[in-house]
Amino acid sequence: GAVVSQHPSWVICKSGTSVKIECRSLDFQATTMFWYRQFPKQSLMLMATSNEGSKATYEQGVEKDKFLINHASLTLSTLTVTSAHPEDSSFYICSAGPSGGAGETQYFGPGTRLLVL
Amino acid sequence: KNQVEQSPQSLIILEGKNCTLQCNYTVSPFSNLRWYKQDTGRGPVSLTIMTFSENTKSNGRYTATLDADTKQSSLHITASQLSDSASYICVVSGFSGGYNKLIFGAGTRLAVHP
Repeated sequence: GAVVSQHPSWVICKSGTSVKIECRSLDFQATTMFWYRQFPKQSLMLMATSNEGSKATYEQGVEKDKFLINHASLTLSTLTVTSAHPEDSSFYICSAGPSGGAGETQYFGPGTRLLVL
Repeated sequence: KNQVEQSPQSLIILEGKNCTLQCNYTVSPFSNLRWYKQDTGRGPVSLTIMTFSENTKSNGRYTATLDADTKQSSLHITASQLSDSASYICVVSGFSGGYNKLIFGAGTRLAVHP
């Protein structure tokens, strides 16, 4: 099946620093990618929809200036957590599908665990 | 309100036994329903995906059913193995907030003991 990768797989940083997470579709082009956050023992929560060549669409309650999304190519979307704080510590997962829309088959990345000290 | 509810929240079974996980949804209009397996600290992996017209779909020891009339789905795991220990997430594709999106259930945490 299609493969979606994330980098890094885990990161530890000091409070106040910025962290960039990459999401790549390895064997297909994705005009749309999705970013999720998952807290322990909870399900995935959609943060934003990343659109290639245009601005991302953020879910209600997600700060645009806090979580910067860049979808510069059809195979790469990045999520930057700016001025990270301990409450941003979470598991961040991206997904993408060959057909683009959320209604189509979605492949999830392996996730990035962020720990902010 | 579009919702996906799963039961039970957690389940412990012995290796080799069968189990069934439930998913009820109120998503409308409905596009498709997926079951994912998520190992701890990993991203979800697709097990099955069913559209409105499909009643059952199998993937090895996993069999999913869908009753679009009652808006219920189940995931049956046969002859469980220790590696089946994971969270199983029911995800429904539908319209929310004016556009198509995935609506996630909270998941069922399955533990298979030897």
